[in-house]
Formats: sequence, C-alpha cells, structure tokens
Amino acid sequence: DTGVSQDPRHKITKRGQNVTFRCDPISEHNRLYWYRQTLGQGPEFLTYFQNEAQLEKSRLLSDRFSAERPKGSFSTLEIQRTEQGDSAMYLCASSLAVAVQETQYFGPGTRLLVL
Amino acid sequence: AQSVAQPEDQVNVAEGNPLTVKCTYSVSGNPYLFWYVQYPNRGLQFLLKYITGDNLVKGSYGFEAEFNKSQTSFHLKKPSALVSDSALYFCAVRDTPNSGGYQKVTFGTGTKLQVIP
Repeated sequence: DTGVSQDPRHKITKRGQNVTFRCDPISEHNRLYWYRQTLGQGPEFLTYFQNEAQLEKSRLLSDRFSAERPKGSFSTLEIQRTEQGDSAMYLCASSLAVAVQETQYFGPGTRLLVL
Repeated sequence: AQSVAQPEDQVNVAEGNPLTVKCTYSVSGNPYLFWYVQYPNRGLQFLLKYITGDNLVKGSYGFEAEFNKSQTSFHLKKPSALVSDSALYFCAVRDTPNSGGYQKVTFGTGTKLQVIP
C-alpha cells in the first residue's frame, strides 16, 4: 500500500499518561503535516515538516506536544501528561512540495480518548 | 488571513438527484481550493482541486466543482447522487505560497451529505 499510514488507529489512555503516535507518509513525499480534528470540526493544523525540519507550529501545539521527523521519513507525535481536552482524532498528511500543485494526502487517523 | 465557510451543516438529497455542497472562501492572494471527503472513523480522501485554468474542475467518483471568483465560491456538485456518497465533505483553501513555497491549508467545518434511497 502506498498511502499514508498511522499507528495506532485507536488509543485509550488515562489522564496524565504520555502517548505517542506514528505516521508513515507516502514514500517520495517530503512534507508531512499533523492535524487535530474534534467532533463537528474540520482538521486544525498543528505542525509541519519539510524533510526533517519542523518549519511551523500552531499555537494549538502546547508545550506538552512534541513532534519529530528524525530522518525525513516517518514522524512521531508525542503528547505528555494527557488531558481530557486532548481527546480528538489526530490526522497525518503528506505531500510533495511542487509549489502550487501541492496536494495533501491524509492517513486514516489516530483516535485518542483520554479518560 | 485565509478562511473558508461551509454554510450548511447538513445537506439531504434523494438518490439520483443532483447534489450541491456549498463553499465560500477568503484569501488575500490567489486561492487554491480543495474538496475532501471523510467517511466515518476514516481520514480525509482527496476529491479534487482548483489551482488555475478552467473554472469547472472534475474529480473522483463523478464529483465536480465550479470556481467562481466573483462570488468567491467553490461549490461541489454531482449530477446524480448515490447512497454511497453519504459522508462528511470538507472544503479547504490555501493562499498564494510564501517565498519558501509553503502556505498552510485551512479547512471548513464540514457538511454532512445524506443521500436518501
């Protein structure tokens, strides 16, 4: 399968625990994005990478959130000391930076529930 | 700042009838517009995009969208709806890329399409 994959698909955790999500982009894509989606809302931008460099972070990305893309391939998103408000779908997308033609392709998402 | 609005939370249409899902946008430069579809507990699937050129854009699954610059709209259309088209549809906009070739995408709040058999 050559699409974007995410792991795990579902995560249930207790408040205060740390969680880590993984995203594997389409292999030739050099840009990778993380979004958060809550019920009834569209995806909200969290951060993006070009190759291994994290170039932009949203104000939504508090100090408890950290993302990495160490070798410019897969990426991880870690949430420390989870709170109930972190419950959401976390979406990863990737794209090939070809200027105006750029299109983001999304993975299936990781649904997080914080109890 | 860029923004996109989907004025209808839900659209109901009978199977076989034409459907329209509305989207309006606001950008400071040239708009780059996208439609995505989301099925329950799934990620977003790309349907179509407008970058430049012909105002009528054709995409996947028989969908098309019409770019109207004067009305700042990019409505999604399909001539004959299928029950399997029932899903959540998102419009998205990107402004003219910056010098680094990047500009983030802003999504609407989504419109639930219900196709009634």
